[in-house]
Amino acid sequence: DTEVTQTPKHLVMGMTNKKSLKCEQHMGHRAMYWYKQKAKKPPELMFVYSYEKLSINESVPSRFSPECPNSSLLNLHLHALQPEDSALYLCASSHQKALKKGAFFGQGTRLTVV
Amino acid sequence: DQQVKQNSPSLSVQEGRISILNCDYTNSMFDYFLWYKKYPAEGPTFLISISSIKDKNEDGRFTVFLNKSAKHLSLHIVPSQPGDSAVYFCAAHALSGTYKYIFGTGTRLKVLA
Repeated sequence: DTEVTQTPKHLVMGMTNKKSLKCEQHMGHRAMYWYKQKAKKPPELMFVYSYEKLSINESVPSRFSPECPNSSLLNLHLHALQPEDSALYLCASSHQKALKKGAFFGQGTRLTVV
Repeated sequence: DQQVKQNSPSLSVQEGRISILNCDYTNSMFDYFLWYKKYPAEGPTFLISISSIKDKNEDGRFTVFLNKSAKHLSLHIVPSQPGDSAVYFCAAHALSGTYKYIFGTGTRLKVLA
């Protein structure tokens, strides 16, 4: 199994809603990432978890709340988002030696905030 | 401030010819560079990487060249195939000992049959 699975694939939410994005991998990777990608822009790192602990937070607003319940799962809890938060949210995972083999990315969740 | 730049937003190449995608960076502390390919509606897929202590790495049709003094790397695809049509991102490993990568702006490659 060399997949990173993200659900849902598409999400439309209002600015007062609370929703969660989910990500799952069964490759034994101990690093998991959330990236945000706007149209015609590169992926931007949001969070990194290493061994289920938050390792990097790229000054992301608190309306985005990550959670890593176990080594296979990564969630991104969303609350009180703004329309400018609409984007493709990508989850990725990697071995510690991600330098040589890169990270495996999911297909992403296309989020629209209305 | 974009630390990793791909100055060509798009590139068209005939099938069978060489595709050369370029990437420039500003931070001399980057110690590893990776190339990813991205099809529409999919996440990026890792292609090839290179350490900053090397100047070339080859994997099948893909070769990455690194010129540290110029802070420049390039991805060569030869021969190019229609299935190579995608957006290509270079990424730099930003901080030793961490998992932080910075992605370039991307180049859309179109291989014409």
